[in-house]
Amino acid sequence: EAGVAQSPRYKIIEKRQSVAFWCNPISGHATLYWYQQILGQGPKLLIQFQNNGVVDDSQLPKDRFSAERLKGVDSTLKIQPAKLEDSAVYLCASSLPGDTDTQYFGPGTRLTVL
Amino acid sequence: GEDVEQSLFLSVREGDSSVINCTYTDSSSTYLYWYKQEPGAGLQLLTYIFSNMDMKQDQRLTVLLNKKDKHLSLRIADTQTGDSAIYFCAESFGRATMNTGFQKLVFGTGTRLLVSP
Repeated sequence: EAGVAQSPRYKIIEKRQSVAFWCNPISGHATLYWYQQILGQGPKLLIQFQNNGVVDDSQLPKDRFSAERLKGVDSTLKIQPAKLEDSAVYLCASSLPGDTDTQYFGPGTRLTVL
Repeated sequence: GEDVEQSLFLSVREGDSSVINCTYTDSSSTYLYWYKQEPGAGLQLLTYIFSNMDMKQDQRLTVLLNKKDKHLSLRIADTQTGDSAIYFCAESFGRATMNTGFQKLVFGTGTRLLVSP
């Protein structure tokens, strides 16, 4: 079974530029999550989708961050415009709703904002 | 509120046992998880324990849960150099159904385990 795929793996941009990350979850996983992991910290949930609907986006800085999952499979996370403090690893995870709801993580995209 | 704390660093010798500790504040969590993160990689699920259990053993891994003290630990027996990584505990809230899929994970800050030969 293929895991969660993310691209790009690394991205370097200047502040005020825009950037987009892509995630392809495990086949059949209805729930998709985006996390932000700042260096030295644990991942923090940004947004959660169930199929193509948003379940929780309370921690998403909506003035600059947006995410979509139009067909209930792949998802994109966008930052526009980026700030220095957005430098982090952006992790995508997916799960199959059930008793344990275990989340499986992709390798992440490391963003550096200069 | 939701808060998960871990010690930052643990150093052991190869072959010894490692014990990584975690404390959490919210007693309503349903599952507690341990994830491993190697450099440049995503999080790999190691094991989980349901909140009504006290202990779970999975090969070299033993998870102990003390609900009264809100304390979770991960013991790695016969620690190897390949176990060197950052270990995160996480507590979950909510329960997924086919319709809502609502489950939120709150992670600790991670414990860096260094295993020396």
